[in-house]
Amino acid sequence: QKEVEQDPGPLSVPEGAIVSLNCTYSNSAFQYFMWYRQYSRKGPELLMYTYSSGNKEDGRFTAQVDKSSKYISLFIRDSQPSDSATYLCAMSGGGSYIPTFGRGTSLIVHP
Amino acid sequence: NAGVMQNPRHLVRRRGQEARLRCSPMKGHSHVYWYRQLPEEGLKFMVYLQKENIIDESGMPKERFSAEFPKEGPSILRIQQVVRGDSAAYFCASSPATGRSETQYFGPGTRLLVL
Repeated sequence: QKEVEQDPGPLSVPEGAIVSLNCTYSNSAFQYFMWYRQYSRKGPELLMYTYSSGNKEDGRFTAQVDKSSKYISLFIRDSQPSDSATYLCAMSGGGSYIPTFGRGTSLIVHP
Repeated sequence: NAGVMQNPRHLVRRRGQEARLRCSPMKGHSHVYWYRQLPEEGLKFMVYLQKENIIDESGMPKERFSAEFPKEGPSILRIQQVVRGDSAAYFCASSPATGRSETQYFGPGTRLLVL
């Protein structure tokens, strides 16, 4: 079992839809949870990070962490074609600064 | 405010040659991380450096790979005697002095192709 599991997709949705992206993990020591967006042939861009459990909202993006279930989510409201990218979850903790990444979910938002 | 810079963006090498990848962190950042990304795979950590120090190289292959972050100049990832399996995108990320992973910012990557 991988330390971080993420469905690679692709996930295809119509413009305006609410998108839910998810990751599960096995290491209960993880405390920092990050979401990155990566456009094709580009470097990952940090979207959001949260510490421990709870929700965090930034514009159309909401990050949610459920440590009891070892499950994190990223919600995108009113999705746009420009949101089409690969979304990577990452997490760290337990005294380590090194994040462990999921393999990424490819999102396609079609007009 | 310039972001993380990497060069070259694309690098082609023949088997057995050396590859040198450079990374200049964001202004004010003194921690650098190198990652490798293969098609259909996530980012794999390679090495974590501060100025003149290797902090964690647990993800670095034991042979042919080395990294440095000198007092002056960019961080360099060096791959000696490249093989086709080294073909990948190599990303560096930097973070502020606190070295916290949740504030890593990535460069655009160097795409290495070994012929």
